[in-house]
Amino acid sequence: EADIYQTPRYLVIGTGKKITLECSQTMGHDKMYWYQQDPGMELHLIHYSYGVNSTEKGDLSSESTVSRIRTEHFPLTLESARPSHTSQYLCASSGGRRNSGNTIYFGEGSWLTVV
Amino acid sequence: GNSVTQMEGPVTLSEEAFLTINCTYTATGYPSLFWYVQYPGEGLQLLLKATKADDKGSNKGFEATYRKETTSFHLEKGSVQVSDSAVYFCALSPLYNFNKFYFGSGTKLNVKP
Repeated sequence: EADIYQTPRYLVIGTGKKITLECSQTMGHDKMYWYQQDPGMELHLIHYSYGVNSTEKGDLSSESTVSRIRTEHFPLTLESARPSHTSQYLCASSGGRRNSGNTIYFGEGSWLTVV
Repeated sequence: GNSVTQMEGPVTLSEEAFLTINCTYTATGYPSLFWYVQYPGEGLQLLLKATKADDKGSNKGFEATYRKETTSFHLEKGSVQVSDSAVYFCALSPLYNFNKFYFGSGTKLNVKP
């Protein structure tokens, strides 16, 4: 069972508001990822990090930003939410002391609706 | 480059039917291969994996065999249940860059009672 947690699970917010999606993992993994996904559709990598103070943009351009100040924490921030940001955001992690290989583990997702 | 192609859905089956979801991949060397399952409103859960040619991953009645000669990793289950209704994703992680993961576009499975 993966130990990766996302909050909030569901969020409805007005246009122009700033939001932060939280992601924490207790597996000691050094790699963390954010994916964007429309319901049941393909995954799009928007950000990743290979360790503290390391962040990179993914394959899909996103107006969101991320930070990695602590190994276990990888929050995603939208400074000014728009309806086009409505989607599910999945946090994931891989690697580390307790991982026996290169498997990627996912949180339960954060559903964002911007009205 | 690296990529994963899986059959388009939705796949609709009756309970107790045999399931096959096809997955083929393109990669250099010997990648690790995975199947993930996503139930409605949830994240992806690891279903099974295989790390070298001819390995068979299995879990909860699902199986997939790593076929290097056909670059395939098809998912099978002998008798599906309504509770298996979900979206299934095939994925690979390259041998020389195991921090990267490539996912197929997902196959939705509907199982009718």
